[in-house]
Amino acid sequence: DTGVSQDPRHKITKRGQNVTFRCDPISEHNRLYWYRQTLGQGPEFLTYFQNEAQLEKSRLLSDRFSAERPKGSFSTLEIQRTEQGDSAMYLCASSLGDRRGTGELFFGEGSRLTVL
Amino acid sequence: QKEVEQNSGPLSVPEGAIASLNCTYSDRGSQSFFWYRQYSGKSPELIMFIYSNGDKEDGRFTAQLNKASQYVSLLIRDSQPSDSATYLCAVNMFKTSYDKVIFGPGTSLSVIP
Repeated sequence: DTGVSQDPRHKITKRGQNVTFRCDPISEHNRLYWYRQTLGQGPEFLTYFQNEAQLEKSRLLSDRFSAERPKGSFSTLEIQRTEQGDSAMYLCASSLGDRRGTGELFFGEGSRLTVL
Repeated sequence: QKEVEQNSGPLSVPEGAIASLNCTYSDRGSQSFFWYRQYSGKSPELIMFIYSNGDKEDGRFTAQLNKASQYVSLLIRDSQPSDSATYLCAVNMFKTSYDKVIFGPGTSLSVIP
């Protein structure tokens, strides 16, 4: 396993269209995070999965955003009715944490979204 | 108050100097703390983590943690031009049954040859 992979790497879409991003974490990692990052800002927490359970979703996310992680393996992040403000880098990260939550996050290369 | 805050940049230091990066966090229940480095156009990569109060050294990097003051810092000794990047402080905010990693806004560091 070579690490966390994300697809597609780049997506250009028109406003109002739906987009879906996929993340394949490191195989033994039980934790998976989605972040959004814009230029000059740190990664902004979107949602978190422990195995297949989505344990938290940021209050900042509108109902247009949804994420799944069926069977605790890969994850998808869907954005419906995209807006220009959704343009950003979407980062996926996975970790193998213990009870202290000390696991290092391993990031994918990100999926860059441009909404025209 | 933001959950994780960092000293605003950009920070410029001459080659060979010590770079000091600071971070404060709001959740007293936080248990583990990380420093990530992010080069322009790349994803974050872990430099150091620290769990206990005090200092932790790894090569040219020293992380310092003071839980009472809710403060984390990163010192980079003998700074090199290759250290020029954005440094992200991350905090694992442990919840009842799970944990959540939150990042600060980052501090941009420029090491001048």
